[in-house]
Amino acid sequence: GQQVMQIPQYQHVQEGEDFTTYCNSSTTLSNIQWYKQRPGGHPVFLIQLVKSGEVKKQKRLTFQFGEAKKNSSLHITATQTTDVGTYFCAGLRGGSNYKLTFGKGTLLTVNP
Amino acid sequence: DTEVTQTPKHLVMGMTNKKSLKCEQHMGHRAMYWYKQKAKKPPELMFVYSYEKLSINESVPSRFSPECPNSSLLNLHLHALQPEDSALYLCASSQSTGVLSYNSPLHFGNGTRLTVT
Repeated sequence: GQQVMQIPQYQHVQEGEDFTTYCNSSTTLSNIQWYKQRPGGHPVFLIQLVKSGEVKKQKRLTFQFGEAKKNSSLHITATQTTDVGTYFCAGLRGGSNYKLTFGKGTLLTVNP
Repeated sequence: DTEVTQTPKHLVMGMTNKKSLKCEQHMGHRAMYWYKQKAKKPPELMFVYSYEKLSINESVPSRFSPECPNSSLLNLHLHALQPEDSALYLCASSQSTGVLSYNSPLHFGNGTRLTVT
């Protein structure tokens, strides 16, 4: 079945440092979505990428979708304590509108 | 704040109990979902309803019984659960551009934290 691998599993940074999490799929994706889940909270949708090579920015967050539509990344510039949480990617397999496959997530902690 | 409302927030039940989880959304979304999330794990899909019809059952044990009374409401009936069923149960909804579509993002509720004793 389709797998979406996400690394790293954990990342601890000092406030102000940058952070990146990566997702890699075994199959071509039609789109990839990113979610953030604060500790004790629920996943909140951040963004969806659809086009090959697409890059989208939200303030300090930059999202990329690979040319082959098999990988994606989320980069946070100058982390803040409010960035703490688990970031999940979720991919939709090409040719299927059936099921999002979530990565295992990256837990980001920020030391003030 | 979330536009998908789940009740109760917390639930403790014994293995012989029957309980129900409730979910409500008023965004006009026609796809609704139940997910199960264990600690430090991603959400796992359980059921999908599209236009009030059950479209997907991810081989969930029959002790979990979903129900979609109308386009705004989604229930999950629980009976004879096991301790390993303890988890965060998340309801989600999304716009549906077809009979079934994941092309639109999921709006999650706050979840029900379930403990089975």
